[in-house]
Amino acid sequence: DAGVTQSPTHLIKTRGQHVTLRCSPISGHKSVSWYQQVLGQGPQFIFQYYEKEERGRGNFPDRFSARQFPNYSSELNVNALLLGDSALYLCASSFNRDTFNQPQHFGDGTRLSIL
Amino acid sequence: DAKTTQPTSMDCAEGRAANLPCNHSTISGNEYVYWYRQIHSQGPQYIIHGLKNNETNEMASLIITEDRKSSTLILPHATLRDTAVYYCIVRVRGGSEKLVFGKGTKLTVNP
Repeated sequence: DAGVTQSPTHLIKTRGQHVTLRCSPISGHKSVSWYQQVLGQGPQFIFQYYEKEERGRGNFPDRFSARQFPNYSSELNVNALLLGDSALYLCASSFNRDTFNQPQHFGDGTRLSIL
Repeated sequence: DAKTTQPTSMDCAEGRAANLPCNHSTISGNEYVYWYRQIHSQGPQYIIHGLKNNETNEMASLIITEDRKSSTLILPHATLRDTAVYYCIVRVRGGSEKLVFGKGTKLTVNP
């Protein structure tokens, strides 16, 4: 079975541009979460979506937004890109929203570089 | 959020058991301990989780102390491919499923 897939794998943008990152969860998984990982740090939680609704948000500015589609895939959008947005963006999926006795499974991320 | 404390780095000889400790002294009674690892340039990989009993799967064993204030992840026969950053995470129960990652332990398996 396919795991969590993310696209693109790498992306280069310049300051002020916007970007859209995409995620397809594991088949049957309804919850998608987004994380940002800057070099040398652990991943930081950005959003969780379940059944197309935002269920959780981390400490990120409003330039970051996301949505989930009826097929449970998701997009992360970042506007007005800053140099500090350079990071690995990870998507994770799980079956349910709040069953904390089950793991989230991660994709290999999108490496975003801002010039 | 319950915090975790892990050593910054550890070394292990190939073929030997790797024992990775984690302290989580503020854990609540209904919070699970999760372990993930991240190999360079890949996403975090789920390893194992537990509440209070010891757990074992095909990848590793998880030993949780009786007071639940600490745990140890055991890789029984480490290989070079086990070289990675290992994260111990206390799963926060609440409105979202967020995982709170620290800096983890960089495990280096040496030939």
